[in-house]
Amino acid sequence: DADVTQTPRNRITKTGKRIMLECSQTKGHDRMYWYRQDPGLGLRLIYYSFDVKDINKGEISDGYSVSRQAQAKFSLSLESAIPNQTALYFCATSDTRTGTSNQPQHFGDGTRLSIL
Amino acid sequence: AQSVTQLDSHVSVSEGTPVLLRCNYSSSYSPSLFWYVQHPNKGLQLLLKYTSAATLVKGINGFEAEFKKSETSFHLTKPSAHMSDAAEYFCVVSPETGGNQFYFGTGTSLTVIP
Repeated sequence: DADVTQTPRNRITKTGKRIMLECSQTKGHDRMYWYRQDPGLGLRLIYYSFDVKDINKGEISDGYSVSRQAQAKFSLSLESAIPNQTALYFCATSDTRTGTSNQPQHFGDGTRLSIL
Repeated sequence: AQSVTQLDSHVSVSEGTPVLLRCNYSSSYSPSLFWYVQHPNKGLQLLLKYTSAATLVKGINGFEAEFKKSETSFHLTKPSAHMSDAAEYFCVVSPETGGNQFYFGTGTSLTVIP
């Protein structure tokens, strides 16, 4: 089983629809992140969460919202999808509980979202 | 301010020849640095990391990278390319402030020619 699981893997939807992408992890990590990937732009941070009650905006949070329902679950919502939100979305986790800084991130396999 | 520049968006090498993927960074603090690989339809997989220990870091699949503070570089190398190395590679910097923030380069696409 994957340590970081994203659902769905692929989604095609229409402009104006509400979409939720889900992420769950079995690693027990405290921090979770949502990124979007666009060709030639690398990964850009949408939101991140240090813990269940700690949510922070990233570089490109407009048009998105998140919910950290439990330590293991972090969902991303597009309230009213628009075509320029078509992208590959990644969830990632990291662990700061070890006390050593800057532990690497662990990624899910991504959700490919197309908005028509 | 933190940033990462991957100097080549595409690199093409012949199978069996060396690979060099270049990365320069800027960071206000002593950074941690990472290289990730992304195969088609997959997430990012950690290749190696530098976290202020040895400046030459060995990773998986025969890759290694050298941290050069004077040049603010962290180039990824492999002595002999394999067909399975064809993928997208990302250099990532994380400033050592405890904030656990990560800054991504725009990626380098590696093609391996048989």
